[in-house]
Amino acid sequence: QVELQQSGPGLVKPSQTLSLTCAISGDSVSSNSAGWNWLRQSPSRGLEWLGRTYFRSKWYNDYAISVKSRITINPDTSKNRFSLQLNSVTPEDTAVYYCARGVYNWNNQMTCLDHWGQGTLVTVSS
Amino acid sequence: QSALTQPASVSGSPGQSITVSCTGTSSDVGGYNYVSWYQQHPGKAPQLMIYDVSHRPSGISNRFSGSKSDNTASLTISGLQAEDEADYYCSSYSSSSTPVVFGGGTKLTVL
Repeated sequence: QVELQQSGPGLVKPSQTLSLTCAISGDSVSSNSAGWNWLRQSPSRGLEWLGRTYFRSKWYNDYAISVKSRITINPDTSKNRFSLQLNSVTPEDTAVYYCARGVYNWNNQMTCLDHWGQGTLVTVSS
Repeated sequence: QSALTQPASVSGSPGQSITVSCTGTSSDVGGYNYVSWYQQHPGKAPQLMIYDVSHRPSGISNRFSGSKSDNTASLTISGLQAEDEADYYCSSYSSSSTPVVFGGGTKLTVL
């Protein structure tokens, strides 16, 4: 049974860095058949994919263009978890943030997100 | 503005069937059989209900079914129950700059 447990602060000041962690149980962050994603949800932007990390003989990362200059997603194999860092946040980054496991097909295309973390409401405010 | 287009709301009475549509392009819905549907209750995380257009994960009721025609996918819920009242989001693999795109969500009200 795969479970994802998110942790991190719910309040971040403008211009600072948002940091969240997603602990994995029931699977491995180094899995060759899964990928580990961060998404967010807000009334103004809906559900938005932010980026992912996955291992296929080596580590890969992909990021959404909208946040590419500010985002880092890192795996932590020693603790079987992955993290999100979003720099230089503004009030527009206020949202519920989710981590999720991506399912991949034979062609390494991500076909769905089958397990999600519980969500973390992050408010950007001074 | 979401990449996939869904109606903002649908409603139905207990026992009835409803269908939610999801329209995309040939770069996502129409080009691949990787449409998925998520149910989200207030304050909860999305839950996968349908993947690969029409497949149900283990534990999901067979009252939920999915289909696709050209650039439009559909989610049908039969035998509506009060517990089905939630927001529903479609998603698709995309060959664009992001690997996954979402619809704006449809609020289902069970009357």
